[in-house]
Amino acid sequence: AQKVTQAQTEISVVEKEDVTLDCVYETRDTTYYLFWYKQPPSGELVFLIRRNSFDEQNEISGRYSWNFQKSTSSFNFTITASQVVDSAVYFCALSDYYGGATNKLIFGTGTLLAVQP
Amino acid sequence: GAVVSQHPSWVICKSGTSVKIECRSLDFQATTMFWYRQFPKQSLMLMATSNEGSKATYEQGVEKDKFLINHASLTLSTLTVTSAHPEDSSFYICSAREDRGLGQPQHFGDGTRLSIL
Repeated sequence: AQKVTQAQTEISVVEKEDVTLDCVYETRDTTYYLFWYKQPPSGELVFLIRRNSFDEQNEISGRYSWNFQKSTSSFNFTITASQVVDSAVYFCALSDYYGGATNKLIFGTGTLLAVQP
Repeated sequence: GAVVSQHPSWVICKSGTSVKIECRSLDFQATTMFWYRQFPKQSLMLMATSNEGSKATYEQGVEKDKFLINHASLTLSTLTVTSAHPEDSSFYICSAREDRGLGQPQHFGDGTRLSIL
């Protein structure tokens, strides 16, 4: 069965601190996709990144970076120099690669990040 | 690009009323759309997968007759909560996946907060 674990329920940091959100996944598939979404207090989910299981290169986008390690089944997300606007719930998600019937997303339970000024 | 519009954003109605929620992909075609339910401070729970031109696929435990889904076109899916009761109060979110090949991310609507009195 597929499963995504975000062990950190809540994290509080002070602005400008770096913060890493952990994501560990379980799947029997050899190929799959991983995603990160952001849900600010307003409620909408914002797509941040997609990574396929073939590509273990780390990715950086501005203050955001992602560390994918297949050997440990982890896909961690780091925010550098955090800002108050980064305050949100962050969800890690997993889907199968070939779509099967639907390409369903399996979500983790989310990590609430609070960035204090 | 990849904008999903969900309407209405907020509904308050009396018990016994049926409520229809619309989900539209504004700038892309989506054969597949998804409906989620989210309780406060919890993750997203997939309710059903909406397929254009065919019947929706419901997750285990979700009542088909309670939550009617219609996906009549490549850009529109609707969820009707029939004879809603207070226990149906929740945050409902739709998503749509672009018909552009494998592993496309789901793009989410802004959600609908449903309150049944």
